[in-house]
Amino acid sequence: AQTVTQSQPEMSVQEAETVTLSCTYDTSENNYYLFWYKQPPSRQMILVIRQEAYKQQNATENRFSVNFQKAAKSFSLKISDSQLGDTAMYFCAFMKHWDDKIIFGKGTRLHILP
Amino acid sequence: DTEVTQTPKHLVMGMTNKKSLKCEQHMGHRAMYWYKQKAKKPPELMFVYSYEKLSINESVPSRFSPECPNSSLLNLHLHALQPEDSALYLCASSQDLKGSSYNEQFFGPGTRLTVL
Repeated sequence: AQTVTQSQPEMSVQEAETVTLSCTYDTSENNYYLFWYKQPPSRQMILVIRQEAYKQQNATENRFSVNFQKAAKSFSLKISDSQLGDTAMYFCAFMKHWDDKIIFGKGTRLHILP
Repeated sequence: DTEVTQTPKHLVMGMTNKKSLKCEQHMGHRAMYWYKQKAKKPPELMFVYSYEKLSINESVPSRFSPECPNSSLLNLHLHALQPEDSALYLCASSQDLKGSSYNEQFFGPGTRLTVL
């Protein structure tokens, strides 16, 4: 069975700072996807970034980038130049190829302070 | 249209009531999902419909009854719920392209359900 672990329940950083959210996972699969989802307070969940396990290059989306270490089963999210709108719950998630089921971590609540 | 809509936004019901949650998408997606999310917890998958057929039921109690009348619409019928069923119910959809190893799920805003 797959598991996703987020060891930081809550974090706070000042606006414009860089912050890194940690995630580790456990799987015996070789082909899978990893995700970071953002769920702002009282707003819907959106996909921030996706990484295919077979790709060595780390995914980036504007201010968001990941550090994917496949051997270590680690998948951290870096948010650069953080903004107030980045305040949200962030979920790290896993999905096997050809599957419909997303396995979510417990989440990290991120507060961006003015 | 890249939205998944859910109605109602909020619902309060008694344990003897029967109510329904509705989810709609017009993105041509052929897979639709129901999730349950308790406060400060991750979403938990309940049901998956693929091409209007139920493909996954995560051992959900029978007081929750899903229905997929057509490819754009997904309902969740509720009957004899318990207070512990109070949660945010999220709907999602994806293309479910055959031959694709990955289909991104798009989430709706959810229905916040309170069972008294």
